[in-house]
Amino acid sequence: NAGVTQTPKFRVLKTGQSMTLLCAQDMNHEYMYWYRQDPGMGLRLIHYSVGEGTTAKGEVPDGYNVSRLKKQNFLLGLESAAPSQTSVYFCASSNRDVYGYTFGSGTRLTVV
Amino acid sequence: KQEVTQIPAALSVPEGENLVLNCSFTDSAIYNLQWFRQDPGKGLTSLLLIQSSQREQTSGRLNASLDKSSGRSTLYIAASQPGDSATYLCAVPDQAGTALIFGKGTTLSVSS
Repeated sequence: NAGVTQTPKFRVLKTGQSMTLLCAQDMNHEYMYWYRQDPGMGLRLIHYSVGEGTTAKGEVPDGYNVSRLKKQNFLLGLESAAPSQTSVYFCASSNRDVYGYTFGSGTRLTVV
Repeated sequence: KQEVTQIPAALSVPEGENLVLNCSFTDSAIYNLQWFRQDPGKGLTSLLLIQSSQREQTSGRLNASLDKSSGRSTLYIAASQPGDSATYLCAVPDQAGTALIFGKGTTLSVSS
């Protein structure tokens, strides 16, 4: 009964380093999302996917890339981390028509 | 562009009070609205989903109403308890129906 699993839970990066955040869901959901949550800014959509092999930009996509090679996995990459990318990142998945939104527990990323 | 606003940003009440959280949205052409709860350091948990054809939904001590024509939703919490302390977020689908747009939330603190 895992739902949505995010890896890692915490990470500290130096400016310029790269990393990949992994999201895995076991509910056979078609749609997957990456959001970032910052104080005073709320949840903002970074990228999303409406099916295996598809990706699309959200509200704040700059500095991030994503891939959805398998239906159950959605990867978020930072090629060259910047302090402005310090945030809490949430992955979510849903079935069509955005019903049944299920969130992961988040990844707290600090870029120094 | 759809915007979601939640008032108040923070609320403190003594245990036992009934309270109302407000959510407004700018584009009334939505087909559902969802309320979520977020505990500190955790992901979001779905509380209630109201379809556009419904006017309200109830779950235990929670009651959510939807007035599409005025672009408003309210979450009513009856007989509040310290365990209700959390941030409550409302969300509506974007125009394409592919992702949710979130308000910034109302942080509720219930004291015993």
